[in-house]
Amino acid sequence: NAGVTQTPKFQVLKTGQSMTLQCAQDMNHEYMSWYRQDPGMGLRLIHYSVGAGITDQGEVPNGYNVSRSTTEDFPLRLLSAAPSQTSVYFCASKRESGARNTEAFFGQGTRLTVV
Amino acid sequence: AQSVAQPEDQVNVAEGNPLTVKCTYSVSGNPYLFWYVQYPNRGLQFLLKYITGDNLVKGSYGFEAEFNKSQTSFHLKKPSALVSDSALYFCAVRDEGYSTLTFGKGTMLLVSP
Repeated sequence: NAGVTQTPKFQVLKTGQSMTLQCAQDMNHEYMSWYRQDPGMGLRLIHYSVGAGITDQGEVPNGYNVSRSTTEDFPLRLLSAAPSQTSVYFCASKRESGARNTEAFFGQGTRLTVV
Repeated sequence: AQSVAQPEDQVNVAEGNPLTVKCTYSVSGNPYLFWYVQYPNRGLQFLLKYITGDNLVKGSYGFEAEFNKSQTSFHLKKPSALVSDSALYFCAVRDEGYSTLTFGKGTMLLVSP
């Protein structure tokens, strides 16, 4: 059972380039989300999804797109990378049905640098 | 709206001493509360969560947390700190009416030998 898998672990982009951060979970969780972690800012929610075909914006969605075509995958797309998007990105998933106080499981993170 | 505050950027404690990492929250409904730990260059690991009715929650690695509804707090505690407990700790809250989890800014715990 792999849990939540993020790829790549590290990435360097030039300003204006686009890329997709991959996230996959094998726990059949309905809920998936993307956070960015910046020093002194904690984790801020970018986008989330409560099921296949359903996505919504979080606290800091600008410059990012998501889609959820399957339960397992929730890719995050940077449309035109900017230095302000230099951060560590975490994907998380949790069970949504049943008990409502379920904990989230996190991937190992993607460290992105935009130059 | 939901929010969480961790008032200390860093907590220093000597090994063997008790530790407390503070967390206060704000929700409009009933809160679901969590603590996570992050070791260097790793993802977040779940420590414990608040379940309605149990004000003292026990979790992994000897940690516990006390839910106080009147003070809207959920402080993380451990009776005897270990050097290996040194890490970044995050408190998180979810209002029962929301799907999303809101995190605090994190508290760095440093345990000295």
